[in-house]
Amino acid sequence: QVQLQESGPGLVKPSETLSLTCTVSGGSISSGTSYWSWIRQPAGKGLEWIGRIYISGSTNYNPSLKSRVSMSLDTSRSQFSLSLTSVTAADTAVYYCARVRPITISFYMDVWGKGTTVTVSS
Amino acid sequence: SYVLTQPPSVSVAPGQTARITCGGNTFGRKSVHWYQQRPGQAPVLVVYDDTDRPSGIPERFSGSKSGNTATLTISRVEAGDEADYYCQVWDSSSDHAGFVFGTGTKVTVL
Repeated sequence: QVQLQESGPGLVKPSETLSLTCTVSGGSISSGTSYWSWIRQPAGKGLEWIGRIYISGSTNYNPSLKSRVSMSLDTSRSQFSLSLTSVTAADTAVYYCARVRPITISFYMDVWGKGTTVTVSS
Repeated sequence: SYVLTQPPSVSVAPGQTARITCGGNTFGRKSVHWYQQRPGQAPVLVVYDDTDRPSGIPERFSGSKSGNTATLTISRVEAGDEADYYCQVWDSSSDHAGFVFGTGTKVTVL
């Protein structure tokens, strides 16, 4: 059974770069039937999709974050990562990683990590 | 950008039926997926592709879609169903294809 675990600093200073890693266990990150995604949720608010990456390295990002986001994938470590530059207090949130599955003309997230809280503060 | 609209809250007595709606344009060409998020926990997929349930999700959870509205129905509601529920679609209608989540509905069990 696939499990995901987020890791990274819980505190980031304004204007710096937020970096998180998601470790995939119990399954192959190289599976051609899965994409891998990041989602965040500010306290008391809804879910916001950040981006997704495929084993080929192909990515899609939320247009509202695209200028500051990059994602990468390391098959040797069974990990994928998120980098968000020039952070502000508005980037404070719980960050989730998730496995994405395709179906017909759509995609959904069937496995989620437990989430990691990131606070942007000096 | 594509918008999914949900009612902010739904209240239901134990044993009754809760219905959560999700509205969006051109739904007929999109699959709708639903997630349950209990307080302090990560979201869990409860319905995908409009009507299908992942293994392990009780039959009490069902999805439907008609026109521009999708509905998540929870039958015989239990206290443990108290959570936030989000609908989600994949929007490929613009140059920037991506995931869109609904605004979320808080289900309160009275």
